[in-house]
Amino acid sequence: GAVVSQHPSRVICKSGTSVKIECRSLDFQATTMFWYRQFPKQSLMLMATSNEGSKATYEQGVEKDKFLINHASLTLSTLTVTSAHPEDSSFYICSARSGTGMSNEKLFFGSGTQLSVL
Amino acid sequence: SQQGEEDPQALSIQEGENATMNCSYKTSINNLQWYRQNSGRGLVHLILIRSNEREKHSGRLRVTLDTSKKSSSLLITASRAADTASYFCATDPLTGNTGKLIFGQGTTLQVKP
Repeated sequence: GAVVSQHPSRVICKSGTSVKIECRSLDFQATTMFWYRQFPKQSLMLMATSNEGSKATYEQGVEKDKFLINHASLTLSTLTVTSAHPEDSSFYICSARSGTGMSNEKLFFGSGTQLSVL
Repeated sequence: SQQGEEDPQALSIQEGENATMNCSYKTSINNLQWYRQNSGRGLVHLILIRSNEREKHSGRLRVTLDTSKKSSSLLITASRAADTASYFCATDPLTGNTGKLIFGQGTTLQVKP
C-alpha cells in the first residue's frame, strides 16, 4: 500500500523556537494533504488542508501565522509551528490523498509527530 | 461540532471474545471509514463502507452501516491482545465537497491475554 512518511516522530524544543514537521508521500503523488492535531485520549482535529501549489485552507480557530503550511511539491507538505509555546504541545498527524478527485477513498496517514514544548 | 460520536469510549475484553464499537454521525455521507491507532502512532485504515452498502467484511472485521439511523458498527471477532488500540470512525460528508474526513471520538479497546 501507499506510504506516507512523517518526520520527526518526536521533538522536544524550548519555548519560542520554531519546529518544522515534514510529511512525504513516498510512492504516489499527493495533491492534497491534511494536517491534524490530537490531544491525549482525544480524537483528531483537522487543522488545515494543504493543496499543492496553492495556499492552505485553515479550519476555524487555527492561526495560519502560527501554523505555517507549505505544499511545494506533489510529494511534500511541511507544517511549521512558529514560536512554539507549551500549549502547542500535542501529537500532529498528516494524511495524504492520492489522485485529483475529491473523494477521500484513498487517504494515507503518517505515523505522527509528538511535539513537546518546554 | 460535526464530529461523530462513538460508544463505548472504552472497552475491555478477554482474548477470544468479540468486540463491538458503534459510531453515529450527523450528516449525509459518501462513505464511512474505520481506522485503528496504536498508542503514539499514526492511523491505519481498516475498512471503508460506501453509503449504498449495508455490510462489509475484511478478515475478522465486520462493518455495518445504517444510513437511516446515521450509524455504523465495527465488530472484531475472536479478538487478540494485538488488537489493543484505539478505533476511530471517520465520515466523508456528502455535502460541501471539501474532501475532509470527520473523525469520531474513538473507542479505546483493551484485549486482555
